[in-house]
Amino acid sequence: GAVVSQHPSWVICKSGTSVKIECRSLDFQATTMFWYRQFPKQSLMLMATSNEGSKATYEQGVEKDKFLINHASLTLSTLTVTSAHPEDSSFYICSAIRQENSNQPQHFGDGTRLSIL
Amino acid sequence: AQSVAQPEDQVNVAEGNPLTVKCTYSVSGNPYLFWYVQYPNRGLQFLLKYITGDNLVKGSYGFEAEFNKSQTSFHLKKPSALVSDSALYFCAVRGLSNDYKLSFGAGTTVTVRA
Repeated sequence: GAVVSQHPSWVICKSGTSVKIECRSLDFQATTMFWYRQFPKQSLMLMATSNEGSKATYEQGVEKDKFLINHASLTLSTLTVTSAHPEDSSFYICSAIRQENSNQPQHFGDGTRLSIL
Repeated sequence: AQSVAQPEDQVNVAEGNPLTVKCTYSVSGNPYLFWYVQYPNRGLQFLLKYITGDNLVKGSYGFEAEFNKSQTSFHLKKPSALVSDSALYFCAVRGLSNDYKLSFGAGTTVTVRA
């Protein structure tokens, strides 16, 4: 149980394109999902907390107009990188928490490798 | 504020030998502690957690961790390492706030040689 699916796993696109990444909790409901960014051989950097039915909470220094987050249902959150540029190239990972179970760990998707040419 | 330190960037062991990956934490109040493993181009896989109870926690794939409150440590251990244990390991901590945010260590790369 506790499977989180992230799609796509790999994206290569031209500069200026907008890219949408989906994060789904497949077998549980997740009121809270998280979006992280990871640079090679580094730790995870939290970008934002996504709450179902409300606006995302962004970490300091993360541009909310650049990284649009939508949490439309209890099983789906999306991250859209708008007008992507080469510096946005990175590994993006989502995670989800089971609803109303604070003792449970975050469950992670397999990540999306984004390469902007 | 909460934080995690993983003092070793890299740990190298021979297959069959014990493996230890160190982690110390800082948090207000009682901590929620987690270990995750990451394989190349993959997300994080949950290994084990400490919330309360016994200080020795057993997790997936033969891993265990010992919570030591006085030393604010949560070291990950495996009695006999396998080559397939070679990966990047993250320790994480969460305080008692309701935002469920985790603070991750910098990660430790484990290499197990045959």
